[in-house]
Amino acid sequence: DADVTQTPRNRITKTGKRIMLECSQTKGHDRMYWYRQDPGLGLRLIYYSFDVKDINKGEISDGYSVSRQAQAKFSLSLESAIPNQTALYFCATSDNLYGSPTEQFFGPGTRLTVL
Amino acid sequence: DAKTTQPNSMESNEEEPVHLPCNHSTISGTDYIHWYRQLPSQGPEYVIHGLTSNVNNRMASLAIAEDRKSSTLILHRATLRDAAVYYCILGRNSGNTPLVFGKGTRLSVIA
Repeated sequence: DADVTQTPRNRITKTGKRIMLECSQTKGHDRMYWYRQDPGLGLRLIYYSFDVKDINKGEISDGYSVSRQAQAKFSLSLESAIPNQTALYFCATSDNLYGSPTEQFFGPGTRLTVL
Repeated sequence: DAKTTQPNSMESNEEEPVHLPCNHSTISGTDYIHWYRQLPSQGPEYVIHGLTSNVNNRMASLAIAEDRKSSTLILHRATLRDAAVYYCILGRNSGNTPLVFGKGTRLSVIA
């Protein structure tokens, strides 16, 4: 089984709808991240969480919100989806080793289309 | 945050070595150099990281310039499976700052 899973894998929705993307991990990591990727561009950080009680905005948080329900779960919500939020969304996790860089593990991605 | 500069694309023949360059002239003393790659239709995956010394692992080698203002990811024998976007990223050694991905280098491997 995959260590980082994302649901749904594909979603088509309409403008104005509320959408939730879910991420679960079995790696036991404290840190979780949400990125979005647009065609031809790199990944941009939306939100990140270093533990269950910690939520931080990334470079493009406007229009998004997150919830860290447990160590293993980190959800991304679009309160009112708009077409320019059409993108590929990735969840990632990493361990918490202060003073040492740690590898980020990515999920398979969720392809979201907003009509 | 210190930035990296990579070529948009590179091409290599199969079974030949590939040298992927990265410039990071504003790197600070506490920044590690990370490389990730993203295969088609997949999430990024870790390749290698280093601080000052050259590093080797089963996937690749990382050569870091003495002044640390540039680095090179070396794939010793490119295969078709190595065709991907390669990202060079600087990350603080505290680990308290998320990695910031740029656009990377798209590597094409020709059979």
